[in-house]
Amino acid sequence: AIQMTQSPSSLSASVGDSVTITCRASQGIRNELGWYQQKPGKAPELLIYAASSLQTGVPSRFSGSGSGTDFSLTISGLQPEDFATYYCLQDYNYPRTFGQGTKVEIK
Amino acid sequence: EVQLVESGGALVQPGRSLRLSCAASGFSFSSYWMAWVRQAPGKGLEWVANIKQDGSLDHYLDSVRGRFTVSRDNAKNSLYLQMDSLRAEDTAVYYCVRDDTHTFNKIYYDAFDFWGRGTRVTVSS
Repeated sequence: AIQMTQSPSSLSASVGDSVTITCRASQGIRNELGWYQQKPGKAPELLIYAASSLQTGVPSRFSGSGSGTDFSLTISGLQPEDFATYYCLQDYNYPRTFGQGTKVEIK
Repeated sequence: EVQLVESGGALVQPGRSLRLSCAASGFSFSSYWMAWVRQAPGKGLEWVANIKQDGSLDHYLDSVRGRFTVSRDNAKNSLYLQMDSLRAEDTAVYYCVRDDTHTFNKIYYDAFDFWGRGTRVTVSS
């Protein structure tokens, strides 16, 4: 199974900051990667698919990039509602595998 | 409005079986791949299984293959997960997920765009 490694595992930031979360695949996965946001006690929500395509309705401050093994999710100008845990997910092959998550906390 | 409502979660003993259901509404259920994703208490997300629109193809996480079976009834707009030989490590909230697959340049991309609220499965003696 492809291993997905996110970094950092957690970070502290202030409202208005820009933050970047990275995700590394154990083998090349082209651009077959999505990003999900999960708030405590809630189901995850789709932010990005195909590495850089913004899901309908998701604010443009979220952006994704990368191809091959290295990917990133950037939030430009953190808002209070963005404090959550973020997961990457590879859909290159089976079984699908998630990263371990990155928790974005308020500084 | 798209809705996915899971049911069937319970406390069960190791080795026993459980069947989860997911009732879908607000979209053409038979047009979408569907998936199950789980989350153990305090842990991250784990993809479990998925099934093609017509039920002719499915895939599983290695640790559940042979014990879990995903199925669907398009006439009832329902997704199922039959879980046999349950283990303590299967304890989790199980989410029913719609996969709005996108196609670019003949590559299929998953997009898990709608999730249910989840149903809790606890495997313990």
